[in-house]
Amino acid sequence: GQQVMQIPQYQHVQEGEDFTTYCNSSTTLSNIQWYKQRPGGHPVFLIQLVKSGEVKKQKRLTFQFGEAKKNSSLHITATQTTDVGTYFCAGRAGTYKYIFGTGTRLKVLA
Amino acid sequence: SQTIHQWPATLVQPVGSPLSLECTVEGTSNPNLYWYRQAAGRGLQLLFYSVGIGQISSEVPQNLSASRPQDRQFILSSKKLLLSDSGFYLCAWSVRGSGNTIYFGEGSWLTVV
Repeated sequence: GQQVMQIPQYQHVQEGEDFTTYCNSSTTLSNIQWYKQRPGGHPVFLIQLVKSGEVKKQKRLTFQFGEAKKNSSLHITATQTTDVGTYFCAGRAGTYKYIFGTGTRLKVLA
Repeated sequence: SQTIHQWPATLVQPVGSPLSLECTVEGTSNPNLYWYRQAAGRGLQLLFYSVGIGQISSEVPQNLSASRPQDRQFILSSKKLLLSDSGFYLCAWSVRGSGNTIYFGEGSWLTVV
C-alpha cells in the first residue's frame, strides 16, 4: 500500500538554529498537507500544497512540494521554543482519505 | 463554527474487555469522518473512514470496528481489547469532498492492562 515516510524521526536543535523535515511518498500525490502536533495535543492543520514545485511561506515556515509531487519539505528558520512538537505531512490516497507520514519530533533547546 | 467532540478523554481497560469511543461533529453536515490511532511516540495510522451514514471503510484488519449511526456521529468499538490496542485514538472530520483540511478531536488515551 501507499507509504509516506518522513525524515528525520527526531531532531534536537538549539533555539535560533534552522530545522528541516522531509516527506517522501511511494506514489505521486495529488496534494500534500502539513500538520503540527504539540506535546499531549492533537494535530492541527498548517498548510496544503497542490501544484508541482509549489512553495508557500508562513512567517518562519517554508513549505515546498517537489516537482514530481512525490516529496515535500518543511523548513523552519531560526527556531523558537514554541516550535516544539511533531510535524506530520499527509498525502491524499484516493478520493477521501489521507495517509499521514511517520512524523518528525522537534525539540528546541533554549 | 464547527466543533468536534470525542470522549472519553482517557480510559484504562483490562485485556478482553469491550471498548466504545464516541465522536460527534457539530456545525456541519455530511462530513467525512475518520478514526486514527497513534501509538506512543509514533505516527498516525488511519483505521477507518466514512463518507456517509452506514458507510465504513476499514484500512487495517484488526479487532476494532467502526459505525456511523447518524450523520455526525462516529463510534469506534471492540468486543475484546488486546494489549496492542493501547494508544492515542483520534477522531477527525473533513468537509465532504476531496482535498480538504482534516480537523482532529482532542483524542482519547486508551491503556489496556
